[in-house]
Amino acid sequence: GAGVSQSPRYKVAKRGQDVALRCDPISGHVSLFWYQQALGQGPEFLTYFQNEAQLDKSGLPSDRFFAERPEGSVSTLKIQRTQQEDSAVYLCASSLQGPRAYEQSYFGPGTRLTVT
Amino acid sequence: DQQVKQNSPSLSVQEGRISILNCDYTNSMFDYFLWYKKYPAEGPTFLISISSIKDKNEDGRFTVFLNKSAKHLSLHIVPSQPGDSAVYFCAASGGGTYKYIFGTGTRLKVLA
Repeated sequence: GAGVSQSPRYKVAKRGQDVALRCDPISGHVSLFWYQQALGQGPEFLTYFQNEAQLDKSGLPSDRFFAERPEGSVSTLKIQRTQQEDSAVYLCASSLQGPRAYEQSYFGPGTRLTVT
Repeated sequence: DQQVKQNSPSLSVQEGRISILNCDYTNSMFDYFLWYKKYPAEGPTFLISISSIKDKNEDGRFTVFLNKSAKHLSLHIVPSQPGDSAVYFCAASGGGTYKYIFGTGTRLKVLA
Protein backbone atom coordinates (compact mmCIF):
# COMPACT_ATOMS: atom_id res chain seq x y z
CA GLY A 1 0.00 0.00 0.00
CA ALA A 2 0.99 3.65 -0.26
CA GLY A 3 3.29 5.03 2.39
CA VAL A 4 3.53 8.56 3.75
CA SER A 5 4.08 11.09 1.00
CA GLN A 6 5.29 14.65 1.25
CA SER A 7 5.39 17.50 -1.22
CA PRO A 8 7.30 19.27 -2.44
CA ARG A 9 10.42 17.19 -1.98
CA TYR A 10 12.63 20.25 -2.31
CA LYS A 11 11.79 23.88 -1.72
CA VAL A 12 14.00 26.93 -2.09
CA ALA A 13 12.60 30.09 -0.53
CA LYS A 14 13.94 33.58 -0.31
CA ARG A 15 14.27 34.93 3.18
CA GLY A 16 10.95 36.45 4.25
CA GLN A 17 8.79 34.28 1.99
CA ASP A 18 6.01 32.06 3.31
CA VAL A 19 6.09 28.34 2.55
CA ALA A 20 3.60 25.49 2.89
CA LEU A 21 4.66 21.87 3.19
CA ARG A 22 2.19 19.07 2.64
CA CYS A 23 1.95 15.64 4.20
CA ASP A 24 -0.30 12.77 3.09
CA PRO A 25 -0.25 10.16 5.85
CA ILE A 26 -1.11 6.49 5.46
CA SER A 27 -4.87 6.17 5.09
CA GLY A 28 -6.62 5.50 8.38
CA HIS A 29 -3.71 6.52 10.56
CA VAL A 30 -4.88 8.43 13.60
CA SER A 31 -1.60 10.00 14.65
CA LEU A 32 0.46 12.44 12.63
CA PHE A 33 3.75 14.01 13.64
CA TRP A 34 5.98 16.71 12.16
CA TYR A 35 9.71 16.65 12.82
CA GLN A 36 12.51 19.01 11.80
CA GLN A 37 15.92 17.54 10.98
CA ALA A 38 18.88 19.88 10.74
CA LEU A 39 22.05 18.75 9.00
CA GLY A 40 23.94 16.18 11.07
CA GLN A 41 21.22 15.97 13.70
CA GLY A 42 18.41 13.61 14.53
CA PRO A 43 14.77 14.49 13.87
CA GLU A 44 13.35 16.93 16.42
CA PHE A 45 9.68 16.90 17.33
CA LEU A 46 7.60 19.86 16.19
CA THR A 47 3.95 18.98 16.64
CA TYR A 48 1.46 16.13 17.00
CA PHE A 49 -2.11 15.59 15.74
CA GLN A 50 -4.60 12.98 16.80
CA ASN A 51 -7.07 13.02 13.93
CA GLU A 52 -7.81 16.72 13.42
CA ALA A 53 -6.89 17.79 16.95
CA GLN A 54 -3.46 19.31 17.50
CA LEU A 55 -2.61 17.87 20.91
CA ASP A 56 0.98 19.01 21.21
CA LYS A 57 2.72 21.92 19.52
CA SER A 58 5.45 22.33 22.09
CA GLY A 59 8.22 21.77 19.53
CA LEU A 60 7.26 24.56 17.14
CA PRO A 61 10.26 26.94 17.31
CA SER A 62 8.34 30.19 16.94
CA ASP A 63 4.93 31.62 16.15
CA ARG A 64 6.00 31.76 12.51
CA PHE A 65 5.35 28.02 12.39
CA PHE A 66 1.79 26.80 12.06
CA ALA A 67 0.38 23.33 11.34
CA GLU A 68 -3.08 22.08 10.58
CA ARG A 69 -4.90 18.85 9.78
CA PRO A 70 -8.46 20.06 9.26
CA GLU A 71 -10.11 16.80 8.19
CA GLY A 72 -7.91 14.41 10.09
CA SER A 73 -5.96 13.21 7.07
CA VAL A 74 -3.72 15.57 5.03
CA SER A 75 -1.63 17.98 7.06
CA THR A 76 0.10 21.21 6.14
CA LEU A 77 3.03 22.82 7.91
CA LYS A 78 3.26 26.51 7.16
CA ILE A 79 6.25 28.69 7.88
CA GLN A 80 5.78 32.43 7.61
CA ARG A 81 8.56 34.95 6.92
CA THR A 82 11.17 32.22 6.51
CA GLN A 83 14.60 32.74 8.04
CA GLN A 84 17.89 31.05 7.17
CA GLU A 85 17.78 29.03 10.39
CA ASP A 86 14.58 27.39 9.10
CA SER A 87 16.65 25.53 6.49
CA ALA A 88 16.25 21.84 7.32
CA VAL A 89 14.50 18.67 6.24
CA TYR A 90 10.91 18.56 7.46
CA LEU A 91 9.69 15.03 8.11
CA CYS A 92 6.13 13.90 8.51
CA ALA A 93 5.28 10.61 10.22
CA SER A 94 2.04 8.78 10.88
CA SER A 95 1.02 5.89 13.06
CA LEU A 96 -2.10 3.80 13.29
CA GLN A 97 -3.22 4.37 16.83
CA GLY A 98 -3.72 7.24 19.19
CA PRO A 99 -1.31 8.64 21.74
CA ARG A 100 0.55 6.44 24.19
CA ALA A 101 0.09 3.36 22.02
CA TYR A 102 3.68 2.31 21.73
CA GLU A 103 4.18 1.57 18.09
CA GLN A 104 6.40 2.59 15.25
CA SER A 105 5.78 5.67 13.20
CA TYR A 106 6.04 5.55 9.42
CA PHE A 107 8.03 8.42 7.98
CA GLY A 108 7.67 10.21 4.68
CA PRO A 109 10.72 11.09 2.54
CA GLY A 110 10.82 14.64 3.87
CA THR A 111 10.85 18.10 2.33
CA ARG A 112 14.25 19.75 2.15
CA LEU A 113 13.76 23.48 2.71
CA THR A 114 16.58 25.85 1.82
CA VAL A 115 16.17 29.50 2.71
CA THR A 116 18.47 31.84 0.80
CA ASP B 1 19.90 18.94 27.07
CA GLN B 2 20.29 15.84 24.95
CA GLN B 3 18.04 13.15 26.43
CA VAL B 4 19.10 10.53 23.88
CA LYS B 5 22.76 10.33 22.92
CA GLN B 6 24.60 8.41 20.25
CA ASN B 7 28.22 9.17 21.00
CA SER B 8 29.73 7.52 17.93
CA PRO B 9 29.03 9.59 14.82
CA SER B 10 30.42 6.87 12.56
CA LEU B 11 31.39 3.23 12.51
CA SER B 12 33.10 1.06 9.88
CA VAL B 13 32.77 -2.72 9.91
CA GLN B 14 33.91 -5.46 7.58
CA GLU B 15 31.21 -7.40 5.75
CA GLY B 16 30.21 -10.52 7.68
CA ARG B 17 31.34 -9.16 11.05
CA ILE B 18 29.17 -7.82 13.87
CA SER B 19 28.12 -4.16 13.98
CA ILE B 20 27.32 -2.75 17.41
CA LEU B 21 25.64 0.64 17.64
CA ASN B 22 25.18 2.24 21.03
CA CYS B 23 22.69 4.65 22.52
CA ASP B 24 22.42 6.22 25.98
CA TYR B 25 19.48 8.03 27.50
CA THR B 26 18.99 10.15 30.58
CA ASN B 27 15.24 10.12 31.22
CA SER B 28 14.30 7.19 33.45
CA MET B 29 10.65 7.64 32.39
CA PHE B 30 11.40 6.41 28.86
CA ASP B 31 9.84 2.98 28.43
CA TYR B 32 9.84 2.33 24.70
CA PHE B 33 12.82 2.44 22.39
CA LEU B 34 13.16 2.13 18.64
CA TRP B 35 15.90 1.97 16.05
CA TYR B 36 15.42 3.57 12.65
CA LYS B 37 17.62 3.29 9.59
CA LYS B 38 17.97 6.16 7.13
CA TYR B 39 19.33 6.19 3.61
CA PRO B 40 20.20 9.50 1.90
CA ALA B 41 17.20 11.45 0.56
CA GLU B 42 14.75 9.04 2.23
CA GLY B 43 12.79 9.18 5.45
CA PRO B 44 13.79 7.01 8.42
CA THR B 45 12.62 3.40 8.20
CA PHE B 46 11.68 1.44 11.30
CA LEU B 47 14.04 -1.40 12.14
CA ILE B 48 13.30 -2.83 15.58
CA SER B 49 11.88 -1.78 18.94
CA ILE B 50 11.96 -2.84 22.58
CA SER B 51 9.82 -2.00 25.57
CA SER B 52 11.23 -1.54 29.03
CA ILE B 53 9.74 -4.81 30.29
CA LYS B 54 12.22 -6.69 28.12
CA ASP B 55 15.99 -6.67 27.95
CA LYS B 56 16.37 -8.17 24.50
CA ASN B 57 14.45 -8.28 21.25
CA GLU B 58 15.56 -10.11 18.15
CA ASP B 59 14.46 -9.90 14.53
CA GLY B 60 16.55 -11.81 12.04
CA ARG B 61 20.01 -10.31 11.88
CA PHE B 62 19.05 -7.47 14.22
CA THR B 63 19.02 -7.66 18.03
CA VAL B 64 18.40 -4.80 20.43
CA PHE B 65 19.60 -5.02 24.03
CA LEU B 66 18.31 -2.78 26.80
CA ASN B 67 20.13 -2.20 30.09
CA LYS B 68 17.76 -0.12 32.18
CA SER B 69 20.06 0.33 35.14
CA ALA B 70 22.73 1.79 32.86
CA LYS B 71 20.17 3.61 30.70
CA HIS B 72 21.84 2.10 27.68
CA LEU B 73 20.68 0.27 24.60
CA SER B 74 22.57 -1.27 21.75
CA LEU B 75 21.77 -2.60 18.32
CA HIS B 76 23.66 -5.64 17.06
CA ILE B 77 23.71 -6.53 13.38
CA VAL B 78 25.06 -9.99 12.60
CA PRO B 79 26.31 -10.61 9.99
CA SER B 80 26.74 -7.11 8.61
CA GLN B 81 26.07 -6.61 4.91
CA PRO B 82 27.00 -3.75 2.56
CA GLY B 83 23.29 -2.90 2.22
CA ASP B 84 23.26 -2.11 5.94
CA SER B 85 25.35 0.99 5.26
CA ALA B 86 23.12 3.86 6.42
CA VAL B 87 22.61 6.26 9.30
CA TYR B 88 21.03 4.60 12.35
CA PHE B 89 18.97 6.59 14.84
CA CYS B 90 17.79 5.43 18.21
CA ALA B 91 14.62 6.99 19.58
CA ALA B 92 12.85 6.85 22.93
CA SER B 93 9.43 7.68 24.27
CA GLY B 94 7.49 7.35 27.48
CA GLY B 95 6.63 9.15 30.66
CA GLY B 96 3.17 9.94 29.41
CA THR B 97 4.32 11.49 26.18
CA TYR B 98 3.84 10.07 22.71
CA LYS B 99 6.55 11.92 20.87
CA TYR B 100 9.84 10.24 20.11
CA ILE B 101 13.14 11.79 21.15
CA PHE B 102 15.86 10.93 18.65
CA GLY B 103 19.60 10.65 19.01
CA THR B 104 21.94 12.35 16.55
CA GLY B 105 22.60 9.16 14.59
CA THR B 106 25.52 6.86 13.82
CA ARG B 107 26.68 6.46 10.24
CA LEU B 108 27.47 2.78 9.63
CA LYS B 109 29.67 1.78 6.72
CA VAL B 110 29.95 -1.92 5.95
CA LEU B 111 32.99 -2.62 3.83
CA ALA B 112 32.81 -5.37 1.22
